[in-house]
Amino acid sequence: QVQLVQSGAEVKKPGASVKLSCKASGYTFINYYIHWVRQAPGQGLEWMGIINPKADRTTYAQNLQGRVIMTRDTSTSTVYMDLNTLRFEDTAVYYCARGPPGAAKAFDVWGQGTMVAVSS
Amino acid sequence: SYVVTQPPSMSEAPGKTARIPCGGNNIGGKSVHWYQQKPGQAPVVVIYYDSDRPPGIPERFSGSNSGNTATLTISRVEAGDEADYYCQVWDSNNDQYVFGPGTRVTVL
Repeated sequence: QVQLVQSGAEVKKPGASVKLSCKASGYTFINYYIHWVRQAPGQGLEWMGIINPKADRTTYAQNLQGRVIMTRDTSTSTVYMDLNTLRFEDTAVYYCARGPPGAAKAFDVWGQGTMVAVSS
Repeated sequence: SYVVTQPPSMSEAPGKTARIPCGGNNIGGKSVHWYQQKPGQAPVVVIYYDSDRPPGIPERFSGSNSGNTATLTISRVEAGDEADYYCQVWDSNNDQYVFGPGTRVTVL
């Protein structure tokens, strides 16, 4: 079955970086985009960006430009999300989600989420 | 950037109909997707492209979109429908995806 499996929880200090992974299975990896969405405790969903694994193209949320990098490894069907210069307000559950190619599509499969806590 | 609005909460009695609005400037000209999120779980798409229902989603869930408001309708509300619901659109002007702030639906 189609699955996105994410890496485990992280605890980081302010100013550090975190790199999360999202491993896809059950479908042809390069045929679907991967989005990253985060959710701070008790808050709503925030879109962070998207990677097109086939073209290796990315688009990031405007408020995260310069702090986030999304990459992919087609040999392992894995997408990575690197967030640097962490702040307390980056504490959140981070989800990866699959999207069909093209704009304005719904996110049809989600990973289980990864908790990132930023604490001194 | 494109702004989407939702009421923070609403409640409905079992068996009744819940209508969850999602507001935005000429949102009727965009494709709206709806997600259900239960506590401790990842979101699940319940309506896509305004009114299409993915396999496995009950027919009680329906959607519409016109003018400045898109609406998710849950007919014959059940206790299991208690969740947060988020609408989502693509802001074509800025190539950004936008979620509404979410509506918590409580079943009385």
